[in-house]
Amino acid sequence: DIHMTQSPSSLSASVGDRVTITCRASQSINNFLNWYQQKPGKGPKLLIYGASTLQSGVPSRFSGSGFGTEFTLTISSLQPEDSATYYCQQSHSTPRTFGQGTKLDIK
Amino acid sequence: QVQLVQSGAEVKKPGASVKVSCKASGYTFTSYAISWVRQAPGQGPEWMGWISAYNGNIDYAHKFQGRLTMTTDTSTNTAYMELRSLTSDDTALYYCARDGGWLDPWGQGTLVTVSS
Repeated sequence: DIHMTQSPSSLSASVGDRVTITCRASQSINNFLNWYQQKPGKGPKLLIYGASTLQSGVPSRFSGSGFGTEFTLTISSLQPEDSATYYCQQSHSTPRTFGQGTKLDIK
Repeated sequence: QVQLVQSGAEVKKPGASVKVSCKASGYTFTSYAISWVRQAPGQGPEWMGWISAYNGNIDYAHKFQGRLTMTTDTSTNTAYMELRSLTSDDTALYYCARDGGWLDPWGQGTLVTVSS
């Protein structure tokens, strides 16, 4: 199975900050990497697929990059509604494994 | 709009089985797979497996093989997930999601509680 590791596990940032979350795969997954946002009491919501393609309706302050084993999710200017847990997930092979999550709080 | 609507919450005793349904609308059901993902309280998502709504091909995560069955009914655009031999470790929110290489959208989740 491909193991996905996110860092940091949690972070706190201020409105307007630039925030970066990293996801590493235990082997190359090309660009088969997706990012999800989950708010308390809700199911995950797709933000980015194929490592860098923004899902329709997702604000342009979100962006993704990376290839192979290292990937990043960046929020260019943090907004209060971005408080959530973020998960990466590989779709290169089954089982489709998730990272352990990054909990983002607003200061 | 594309939507997945799941069946309601279930409470089961240890050793029992549970079957959750997921009704799709707003897209051609047979053009995508359906993945099932569960999330235990306070934990991250765990992918359980997927089923092609086109040809019924299935791929289960190893840890569930032998007690998990996924099916689809193309006449009603509904996917089903049955998990048997339940234990307290199976208490979780169970989600279905349309899978076209990424999971979107997700159903609203079905809470399955296993308790004696």
